[in-house]
Amino acid sequence: GAVVSQHPSWVICKSGTSVKIECRSLDFQATTMFWYRQFPKQSLMLMATSNEGSKATYEQGVEKDKFLINHASLTLSTLTVTSAHPEDSSFYICSATNQGGPNTEAFFGQGTRLTVV
Amino acid sequence: QKEVEQDPGPLSVPEGAIVSLNCTYSNSAFQYFMWYRQYSRKGPELLMYTYSSGNKEDGRFTAQVDKSSKYISLFIRDSQPSDSATYLCAMSFPPSWGKLQFGAGTQVVVTP
Repeated sequence: GAVVSQHPSWVICKSGTSVKIECRSLDFQATTMFWYRQFPKQSLMLMATSNEGSKATYEQGVEKDKFLINHASLTLSTLTVTSAHPEDSSFYICSATNQGGPNTEAFFGQGTRLTVV
Repeated sequence: QKEVEQDPGPLSVPEGAIVSLNCTYSNSAFQYFMWYRQYSRKGPELLMYTYSSGNKEDGRFTAQVDKSSKYISLFIRDSQPSDSATYLCAMSFPPSWGKLQFGAGTQVVVTP
């Protein structure tokens, strides 16, 4: 299957600082990327949908000014957690898709564990 | 009520047994059904996907979909300790085929 690389795999930051997470599709052009967060022993919750060259669409309850998403190219989307607080500590995972039809497969990155201290 | 319900387990089975996992859903618009495996602190890995009601087999894995009952299942035959992981069902509907709604995930432990 296709490869999606997420970086960093883990990060610790101080409360009030910002953290950027990158999601790259290594061997295909990703028309759409998705960002999820996962709390311990819970499922993946969709945060936002990101289409190349356009503004991200955020799910209800997700603060767009706090979680900035940029999808500047067909192979890269970034999620920036601004003014991070301890409650933002979570596992963030991106997925990328390369087509929109019924055979669409979402390829997931390895995730980023964010700890805010 | 969540759109996708899945028992979080844990589900413990002896090596060689059949693992039976299932999810129910409430939104009849879902048309694309998937099962993912997730190891601790890793991203999900796609195991099976299907669109139609019925069975789909791939090696030791069988996925079942019953759209009339809004019920999907995954069976793992001849389970191995390496199958110990969290299994997540996921589903989507057009046009956002890649936008997935996940179940809670079931933790499976296969004991030697």
